[in-house]
Order: sequence, then C-alpha cells, then structure tokens
Amino acid sequence: QQQVKQSPQSLIVQKGGIPIINCAYENTAFDYFPWYQQFPGKGPALLIAIRPDVSEKKEGRFTISFNKSAKQFSLHIMDSQPGDSATYFCAASASGSARQLTFGSGTQLTVLP
Amino acid sequence: DAGVTQSPTHLIKTRGQHVTLRCSPISGHKSVSWYQQVLGQGPQFIFQYYEKEERGRGNFPDRFSARQFPNYSSELNVNALLLGDSALYLCASSLVLGGAVYGYTFGSGTRLTVV
Repeated sequence: QQQVKQSPQSLIVQKGGIPIINCAYENTAFDYFPWYQQFPGKGPALLIAIRPDVSEKKEGRFTISFNKSAKQFSLHIMDSQPGDSATYFCAASASGSARQLTFGSGTQLTVLP
Repeated sequence: DAGVTQSPTHLIKTRGQHVTLRCSPISGHKSVSWYQQVLGQGPQFIFQYYEKEERGRGNFPDRFSARQFPNYSSELNVNALLLGDSALYLCASSLVLGGAVYGYTFGSGTRLTVV
C-alpha cells in the first residue's frame, strides 16, 4: 500500500511536444505529491508539488493534474526543450513528523531537437 | 549558499567491509534524511533524523545505521557490505517547523560500488 506506480518507463518527444507522465497511489493517507527532476550524476531536484485539495497546479511550463477519486496524478511539460531531457520521479508522503517520501520508479524523458 | 554536501562522491568497497558516508545539510536545516537509489529505480527511504534523534526508519536491515551530530551533519554507516548495497546514497536536508518536516533538498549523492 506504500507503493507509487509510475508510467511510462521512458518517453521520447520532439522539441515543443507535451510529454505526460502518470502516477498512481493506493495509500489514502498520502497528502503531498511532489515531482522531482534528476540529471545524471546529480540528486533529485524538486520541480513542483501539489496537495489533494486542488486538482491542478501550474509553475512555468510544468503542470500537475490531480484526481483524488482515482488516486492518480500526472505531470505535463509544455513546450518541452532538449534541456528537459532527464529522469522524472513522482513521489508521495503522508503527514507526520517524518514525512518520508515514497518515490515512483522514474521516467526517462528524451526531448529531441 | 552552500547546498547539501555529501562525501565522498565515489567509493569502492569489498564485500564484508564497512562504509561511512557523510552529509552536511543546508545552513538552518535541522533534519537530515538518507535515501538509497539503485540504478534504474527511484530513491528508497532509509532514515530520517532531527534534533539528533531517529524520527523514521525504512525497511532496511540492521546493517544500516545512522546518527546526527550537534551541528546537524549526519553519517550513514553500513556494515558487512553486500553486492546489493551498490547504489547512489542520497542525503536530503529539510526545515523543521513545529515538529514537522518541510521540503527536501537533495545532495548529489555518494556512489557506492561493492565488489
């Protein structure tokens, strides 16, 4: 019940395309859903995060859509650029003193020039 | 401002040996968490510490231990290394407000290879 399932495993789009990465969860105690971007040799960096009281959040070219009833959330990258090529991870955590992150398995995105 | 600092960046150890990884959090951050990232997978939670106490522990064997020092830096120790311990070990620092952890900033990690 602690898992976060992420798809697809890999994604290739042309520059300007809109890649969409999906995640699903089972634990209804999760109340914080961040997305991380990771480049080779670096740690994950927070991109954008959402709480379940909203259905959508935009920050620049990144948008999270959240469907609480389906227990699903997704990341959309508008006007994707070659510099967006990286591995993207969804994650979830529940309130509490530790607030540990449970990560998805990652999506390797390639944006072709 | 310095980010999360981890040392060493790379390490090669032999099966059965012991390893110590170090992490310095962002100034003002009092919580440190450790994650293990096996190649091709998402990070997995190992430990969280703040105020020098363990606040959370993931599903890892007792060969894994950690501690936090008065200056909020932290060490992760792994005993009796196995080949399967080969991974990128990530440290993340967080603010603590009202007893709750806010935000994670990850370091670049320590790449451990066990041969």
